[in-house]
Amino acid sequence: EVQLVESGGGLVQPGGSLRLSCAASGFTFSSYWMHWVRQPPGKGLVYVSRISFDGTTTTYADSVKGRFTISRDDAENTLYLQMNSLRAEDTAIYYCVRGGLTIYGDFDYWGQGTLVTVSS
Amino acid sequence: DVVMTQSPLSLPVTLGQPASISCRSSQSLVLSDGRTYLNWLQQRPGQSPRRLIYKVSNRDSGVPDRFSGSGSGTDFTLKISRVEAEDVGVYYCMQGTHWPYSFGQGTKLEI
Repeated sequence: EVQLVESGGGLVQPGGSLRLSCAASGFTFSSYWMHWVRQPPGKGLVYVSRISFDGTTTTYADSVKGRFTISRDDAENTLYLQMNSLRAEDTAIYYCVRGGLTIYGDFDYWGQGTLVTVSS
Repeated sequence: DVVMTQSPLSLPVTLGQPASISCRSSQSLVLSDGRTYLNWLQQRPGQSPRRLIYKVSNRDSGVPDRFSGSGSGTDFTLKISRVEAEDVGVYYCMQGTHWPYSFGQGTKLEI
């Protein structure tokens, strides 16, 4: 059974940093593109970032470019999102999502999400 | 960037009756080999999203056959043949063909 379990969310002050983790199991993690998607409270889904199966390609939404870094540890079957210079508008539930075996967006499995709140 | 536009944004329905949600993209989602990365997601209250339909019309495992997807190019539709109480939630279309991937605004289905 495919499972994605996010952790690392919490309350942080504007300008602060957090690192989110997503522990993956039930599939060959190193074969899949992985993604982060966020959802501000009471609002819709917003795409954040993706990483290729081998970690060589990473891309970001303009809203987080230069502040967020996506990475992966295939030995630990874990996806990460390092978030720096956080702003109030980054407040959201962050979902880890399994992509496909190609660059295109399959988005077949979603984690339960972890809440990030940026506030003083 | 590709803009995904859903309608309606709110969909009151009666149990046992059909429902339909439209999704339009600002550019074609068809790749040169014919693949079209248009997915439909369901988000029940208090839950994370779940994929229902992938590549326009393919139902995911465990998804009831009352859900169906159709369309091509820039116009797509999700249909529920007979709405059940468990179908309450928000439905999103999303495209995974063009970077950056994008989502529709969501359609809230209410009984």
